[in-house]
Amino acid sequence: AQTVTQSQPEMSVQEAETVTLSCTYDTSESDYYLFWYKQPPSRQMILVIRQEAYKQQNATENRFSVNFQKAAKSFSLKISDSQLGDAAMYFCAYRTLNSGYALNFGKGTSLLVTP
Amino acid sequence: NAGVMQNPRHLVRRRGQEARLRCSPMKGHSHVYWYRQLPEEGLKFMVYLQKENIIDESGMPKERFSAEFPKEGPSILRIQQVVRGDSAAYFCASSRGAGETQYFGPGTRLLVL
Repeated sequence: AQTVTQSQPEMSVQEAETVTLSCTYDTSESDYYLFWYKQPPSRQMILVIRQEAYKQQNATENRFSVNFQKAAKSFSLKISDSQLGDAAMYFCAYRTLNSGYALNFGKGTSLLVTP
Repeated sequence: NAGVMQNPRHLVRRRGQEARLRCSPMKGHSHVYWYRQLPEEGLKFMVYLQKENIIDESGMPKERFSAEFPKEGPSILRIQQVVRGDSAAYFCASSRGAGETQYFGPGTRLLVL
């Protein structure tokens, strides 16, 4: 079975500080894509960042960056200079190239940002 | 705004009724995916469709659930004879091509009384 594990149900960070959300996944495939999605209180799912497994360079989108460790099957999300608007549920997901197009999601990490 | 559209945003049904959820993909996208999110859970894949074709329905319950994506009009997820356990948020996503990034709609919250 292919699984995604987010070991931190809740995290808290102070405004302007940095926080890292962890994610590990389990797949026997060698080609796949990894994603972080954000779900604010509005419940809309918003794509934060994506990473192709064949790329060694970690993806970056403004204040969001990932630490992708392929051998360890780890894909953590770092949020720098946290803002109140970053408060949300964050879901890690992946999709393999050879096993269909479905995204496999973790259970999420709830991020609280305090002033 | 050319994002993924879903309606209704909230739907209340009594046990035994039918629920119809609609999804209009982003402009230029011809691939649609349906996911279900139970309370306190991540999203679970249900079905993947292209225009007029079901490509992968491996996550769809065998009974009472069906999906379509006709040549014209939105994709429809249909749940017949709803039960309380069907209460969940149902999300639709679309992509331009097979395997490309999926963009999500705002979801439909179904409540079965």
